[in-house]
Amino acid sequence: NAGVTQTPKFQVLKTGQSMTLQCAQDMNHNSMYWYRQDPGMGLRLIYYSASEGTTDKGEVPNGYNVSRLNKREFSLRLESAAPSQTSVYFCASSEAADSGYTFGSGTRLTVV
Amino acid sequence: GENVEQHPSTLSVQEGDSAVIKCTYSDSASNYFPWYKQELGKRPQLIIDIRSNVGEKKDQRIAVTLNKTAKHFSLHITETQPEDSAVYFCAASQAGGSYIPTFGRGTSLIVHP
Repeated sequence: NAGVTQTPKFQVLKTGQSMTLQCAQDMNHNSMYWYRQDPGMGLRLIYYSASEGTTDKGEVPNGYNVSRLNKREFSLRLESAAPSQTSVYFCASSEAADSGYTFGSGTRLTVV
Repeated sequence: GENVEQHPSTLSVQEGDSAVIKCTYSDSASNYFPWYKQELGKRPQLIIDIRSNVGEKKDQRIAVTLNKTAKHFSLHITETQPEDSAVYFCAASQAGGSYIPTFGRGTSLIVHP
């Protein structure tokens, strides 16, 4: 049982480059989320998908786009990376908003 | 929207002591309160949760208490061990709809051997 799988684990981008972070879960969860974690700032929600076919903005959506490809997969795209997007990104899934999250192992992104 | 405050930001204890982390929330409609533990370089993991119809829940050395009137909830760790050293996050959310959990900023717990 893999849980939530994120790729890649590490990435270095130059300013202006684009990339897509991939996330897949095998627990048949309805909801999926993308968070970024910065020192002293906790976990901040970028985008979420409450169910297949829906996506909504979170607290810090600027500079990002998402796609809920199917029930299993939820990707995060940076169209034009900026140094302010240097962070650790976590994907998570849950059965519902009032059930615990399962997090992926994270992607450490550096934008230079 | 919901606002979750978590204190302290850093907590240092000796092995064997107890540790208490407190969170307050602003939205009285919140009814689900999970706690996550994140070890250095690892992902956050759910360690215990409580719903608003329960005042206290225990799981071995950890417990969570909830005071709905005061809108605060706490994580209690007894007989701390070095492996308890981690960052702990609280969160608050509401059943139904697309109400998304709001996280506290985290508490770094350091347990000295």
